[in-house]
Amino acid sequence: AQTVTQSQPEMSVQEAETVTLSCTYDTSENNYYLFWYKQPPSRQMILVIRQEAYKQQNATENRFSVNFQKAAKSFSLKISDSQLGDTAMYFCAFMKRNSGNTPLVFGKGTRLSVIA
Amino acid sequence: DGGITQSPKYLFRKEGQNVTLSCEQNLNHDAMYWYRQDPGQGLRLIYYSQIVNDFQKGDIAEGYSVSREKKESFPLTVTSAQKNPTAFYLCASSIQDRVRELFFGEGSRLTVL
Repeated sequence: AQTVTQSQPEMSVQEAETVTLSCTYDTSENNYYLFWYKQPPSRQMILVIRQEAYKQQNATENRFSVNFQKAAKSFSLKISDSQLGDTAMYFCAFMKRNSGNTPLVFGKGTRLSVIA
Repeated sequence: DGGITQSPKYLFRKEGQNVTLSCEQNLNHDAMYWYRQDPGQGLRLIYYSQIVNDFQKGDIAEGYSVSREKKESFPLTVTSAQKNPTAFYLCASSIQDRVRELFFGEGSRLTVL
């Protein structure tokens, strides 16, 4: 079974600064996807960024980027130029890559507060 | 607009009563999922269904039941056997293509009085 660990229950960052959220996972699979989802106070889950394990290049989406270390099973999220709207719960998630639809396995989340 | 609709948004239930949470999607997605969210616990999988008339138990299926009679609908029943049903419930769906992603509804908050 796969497990996802987020070791930082809460973090805070000053507006315009950079923050990194940590995520490690445990799996025996070689092909998989990794995700970061954002859950703002509205509680709507929003996909932030996705990484395919077979791609060595780290994924980037505007101010959001990841540091994917496959050998270390680490998948951290870096948020640059933090904005007040980035305040949310952030969940790291794992999905096996196979021929069918498979569920996501989530970490317990990191609550990020962006301070003005 | 395409999306996932969960209802009701808030629900109160007395102990010993069954309650059904609705989840409907018009995205033509094959697979649907139910997750439970508790503070400090992240999202835990209750049940999922990859095709109509088929579903699999997740990590915390005890005290819950589901059905998948139509592609667009995946209701979740919280039975009286569920010992701690007060939680936030999220429904999601996905399609089997190269780009894998789960799309989520807005959630249902169940409170047992």
